[in-house]
Amino acid sequence: GIQVEQSPPDLILQEGANSTLRCNFSDSVNNLQWFHQNPWGQLINLFYIPSGTKQNGRLSATTVATERYSLLYISSSQTTDSGVYFCAVVGVGETSGSRLTFGEGTQLTVNP
Amino acid sequence: DGGITQSPKYLFRKEGQNVTLSCEQNLNHDAMYWYRQDPGQGLRLIYYSQIVNDFQKGDIAEGYSVSREKKESFPLTVTSAQKNPTAFYLCASSTRLGPGLGEAFFGQGTRLTVV
Repeated sequence: GIQVEQSPPDLILQEGANSTLRCNFSDSVNNLQWFHQNPWGQLINLFYIPSGTKQNGRLSATTVATERYSLLYISSSQTTDSGVYFCAVVGVGETSGSRLTFGEGTQLTVNP
Repeated sequence: DGGITQSPKYLFRKEGQNVTLSCEQNLNHDAMYWYRQDPGQGLRLIYYSQIVNDFQKGDIAEGYSVSREKKESFPLTVTSAQKNPTAFYLCASSTRLGPGLGEAFFGQGTRLTVV
């Protein structure tokens, strides 16, 4: 099945810093999503971005489907941005196209 | 409000008992999923369903069972055959878009502890 790799696994920032999280995937995708898992475990939808670029406040994301990667940018980070960021993809094909496959996540810590 | 509701939020089970986790959605989504998350790990797919009365095994289905009798409901039973059931369980749903899937949304999760 499709493989999803996220980097870096851990990231520590000072409040106000910018960061870039990367998601590489091994095959063509029909769907790509970025999630933020808060300290209570809930997954918050950030972006649904199979291709192109989107922005939402201090966050933006770019997916280059032909090169099989996506980037999540966080600008002017705040302590509330801390948590785990997951990339998840839906592949092409009968099996991988029917399920969301997750990467292992990036643990972000923003210090005051 | 539209969304996905998981219950209970916390569940304690004695060894050897079966327990059922509830997942209900009112988003009119066709597809529903169950994932398991262990501490410090990513999400692993247990079962998924694209349509009522049909479901498929994910990557770690052993020791689990599901049913999909109604579009809005996808309960997960953790059986006594599951060797390490203590984990965080997340339910999700999405629309189907042509050959693929639309945006997926998650419930708040159920923390299961075996005592």
